[in-house]
Amino acid sequence: QQQVKQSPQSLIVQKGGISIINCAYENTAFDYFPWYQQFPGKGPALLIAIRPDVSEKKEGRFTISFNKSAKQFSLHIMDSQPGDSATYFCAAESENSGNTPLVFGKGTRLSVIA
Amino acid sequence: DAGVIQSPRHEVTEMGQEVTLRCKPISGHNSLFWYRQTMMRGLELLIYFNNNVPIDDSGMPEDRFSAKMPNASFSTLKIQPSEPRDSAVYFCASSSTGYGANVLTFGAGSRLTVL
Repeated sequence: QQQVKQSPQSLIVQKGGISIINCAYENTAFDYFPWYQQFPGKGPALLIAIRPDVSEKKEGRFTISFNKSAKQFSLHIMDSQPGDSATYFCAAESENSGNTPLVFGKGTRLSVIA
Repeated sequence: DAGVIQSPRHEVTEMGQEVTLRCKPISGHNSLFWYRQTMMRGLELLIYFNNNVPIDDSGMPEDRFSAKMPNASFSTLKIQPSEPRDSAVYFCASSSTGYGANVLTFGAGSRLTVL
């Protein structure tokens, strides 16, 4: 059972454009939503994360938008650069449940072309 | 800190052979996770440990897979016998919290090819 659904599977964006990756979750107990970034040949690394007490979090060119009622959250990359080309994973977790680690989406392969 | 260290980085083996993947977590981290990554299934959690104790191994696909964490600085994932469908990249990750927000630090992965 896939608890976090991520789309699209792949994305091509022109340099300077906006990249948008969407995720939806089912478990209302989830209360921590990170995004991980993975470059080829490397392991994923934490990029940015949000908790449901806010609807948006911004760090530089990266913004998470969160819609609690719709159980959806998305990653926006403004002014996308070729160096942003990577695979992005959304994830979710219930911080207070103890024994439920991060559940990852299937990933989105982003290519930013000049 | 050198981060999470995995070995080998690449392994090519023949069907039926035993494969052992190794992981050294970040010192001081008390949780360790093994993930498998494939194009079709993305990142799948196989098993995780908290304070060296296996907490949930429901993601281990078959009895051919086993994992151990004999101490806080070492873990192994073993596949015996290996099959072509086990070909994937296996990641080890560690974190400093077993409860609460998990900020995972991943290793570089072990790419396994079973012929």
